[in-house]
Amino acid sequence: DQQVKQNSPSLSVQEGRISILNCDYTNSMFDYFLWYKKYPAEGPTFLISISSIKDKNEDGRFTVFLNKSAKHLSLHIVPSQPGDSAVYFCAVPAGNNRKLIWGLGTSLAVNP
Amino acid sequence: EPEVTQTPSHQVTQMGQEVILRCVPISNHLYFYWYRQILGQKVEFLVSFYNNEISEKSEIFDDQFSVERPDGSNFTLKIRSTKLEDSAMYFCASQRGAPEYEQYFGPGTRLTVT
Repeated sequence: DQQVKQNSPSLSVQEGRISILNCDYTNSMFDYFLWYKKYPAEGPTFLISISSIKDKNEDGRFTVFLNKSAKHLSLHIVPSQPGDSAVYFCAVPAGNNRKLIWGLGTSLAVNP
Repeated sequence: EPEVTQTPSHQVTQMGQEVILRCVPISNHLYFYWYRQILGQKVEFLVSFYNNEISEKSEIFDDQFSVERPDGSNFTLKIRSTKLEDSAMYFCASQRGAPEYEQYFGPGTRLTVT
């Protein structure tokens, strides 16, 4: 059962344009959402988070939008840079111990 | 900037052997986790550790697995008798605690069981 879904395995954008990565979830009780970036052979790096009491959180070039009614969140990267090429994971802390439930990831390629 | 460290970066072992994967979490964090990612698959939760005991474990974390925080800084994952299907990247993570839920990850240990 996939509680966190990232339906696009890959995305390719031109440098300078906007990258939009999407994530859907099934459990309306989820109250916090995280985005991680991962390069090959490295650990996930925390990027940005959002609480369910907000619908937007911005940090530099990265903005996360949350639509609770649709159980959907998206990560916007603008402008995209070649160094942003990585796999992006949506993750949700769940349960009392806040273990992370992960999406399958979206591989982003930013072309110069 | 504080970071989570893991050793070794790569461990090759024969089936049936014991391995210990080591992690040093961020010093003022209270919650510690192990995850793994088999090649091409989703990142999977293995175990969480808080207040010197296991707080939650997944179905994967059977009797062959154990965790320890022996000295207040290191956090170890032991696999007693490795199987081929244990081959994966193993990630350690730590979290400060509520109201912050961000987990910070180490670079991982690639375990290859032959």
